[in-house]
Amino acid sequence: DVKVTQSSRYLVKRTGEKVFLECVQDMDHENMFWYRQDPGLGLRLIYFSYDVKMKEKGDIPEGYSVSREKKERFSLILESASTNQTSMYLCASSLGTWEQFFGPGTRLTVL
Amino acid sequence: SQQGEEDPQALSIQEGENATMNCSYKTSINNLQWYRQNSGRGLVHLILIRSNQREKHSGRLRVTLDTSKKSSSLLITASRAADTASYFCAAETSGSRLTFGEGTQLTVNP
Repeated sequence: DVKVTQSSRYLVKRTGEKVFLECVQDMDHENMFWYRQDPGLGLRLIYFSYDVKMKEKGDIPEGYSVSREKKERFSLILESASTNQTSMYLCASSLGTWEQFFGPGTRLTVL
Repeated sequence: SQQGEEDPQALSIQEGENATMNCSYKTSINNLQWYRQNSGRGLVHLILIRSNQREKHSGRLRVTLDTSKKSSSLLITASRAADTASYFCAAETSGSRLTFGEGTQLTVNP
């Protein structure tokens, strides 16, 4: 079974802090994705990556950056956290154009 | 931009009944996928239907796709309390990228 893990289930940070969310997959998937999920807005794509050191902006990249130094790991970085970044963050991976496999999510609260 | 939009937003049924959820999308797709999410958890893939398919079955799930109407439906037959969850459609347009709808919250009452 594909396993996608995220570094934290719950995270509380203060405004202005730099925040790292880590995602690791164990099935050698080439594609990895970061979404945020908010009530009434569904899932929105922040960034995605097709390969190591490659990244593409999604629909809402402002305020975020990403890093993919190794194929299995995709990190989401909030350079200076703000209260409007309080959300559920979901990481996913996929092989080609097949289904995406999701991690359990990180619920981030920015105070 | 919103690609998939589910209808209804919420559905409450009794155990044993069938549940039907609909999804509409705006542009051409390579495939359409349905996912399930239990409260506070990640999404789990249910079924994928390619643009050249009209219907697909998997266990108690039946998905239809009408590309002329840009719509899909998910039917869950003989529902169980454990089917209570949010269901999302996701349209794959290019480059493995999915655009999700806002989801349908299904409640199955025992």
